Amino acid sequence: EAGVAQSPRYKIIEKRQSVAFWCNPISGHATLYWYQQILGQGPKLLIQFQNNGVVDDSQLPKDRFSAERLKGVDSTLKIQPAKLEDSAVYLCASSLSQLEEKLFFGSGTQLSVL
Amino acid sequence: AQKVTQAQTEISVVEKEDVTLDCVYETRDTTYYLFWYKQPPSGELVFLIRRNSFDEQNEISGRYSWNFQKSTSSFNFTITASQVVDSAVYFCALSEANFNKFYFGSGTKLNVKP
Repeated sequence: EAGVAQSPRYKIIEKRQSVAFWCNPISGHATLYWYQQILGQGPKLLIQFQNNGVVDDSQLPKDRFSAERLKGVDSTLKIQPAKLEDSAVYLCASSLSQLEEKLFFGSGTQLSVL
Repeated sequence: AQKVTQAQTEISVVEKEDVTLDCVYETRDTTYYLFWYKQPPSGELVFLIRRNSFDEQNEISGRYSWNFQKSTSSFNFTITASQVVDSAVYFCALSEANFNKFYFGSGTKLNVKP
């Protein structure tokens, strides 16, 4: 079974630039999550989708972050404009459903904002 | 508010030693779930175990064991006879009853030296 795919693996940008991350969840997984993991900290939920609808985006900085999952499959997370404090690993995870306990994580995109 | 504390930032042991990773949580919910995830150097978090708040039985899986004590709000993880492949960052997490939100601790980096 293919895992959660994320790209790119690494990204280096300058502050005020924009950046986009892509995630393809495990086939058939209805629920998709984006987490931000700052160095030395645990993952923090940014947004949760159930199919193509947003379940929770309460911790997403909406002035600069946006995410979409138009067809209920893959998803993109965008930051525009980026700030230094956005440097982190962005993890995508998926689960069969919203009530599924087990999350499957991708390897993440490591973002460095200079 | 939900909170997970992993006080040990980093632990180093020599192969074959036993090691215990501590996890203390805070929640006002009566129904909740506790998890341990492993994050190897490759980056993706791997699910290890889930425990619900009504089941305080300890669990053993090979060299891994978990001790859940509601009286002290702790969910500790012990690796017996550690191996180099156990080197990773380990995260304890708490979720609400519907698995809608996961709250991760800051992680404990385990270094197992040969």
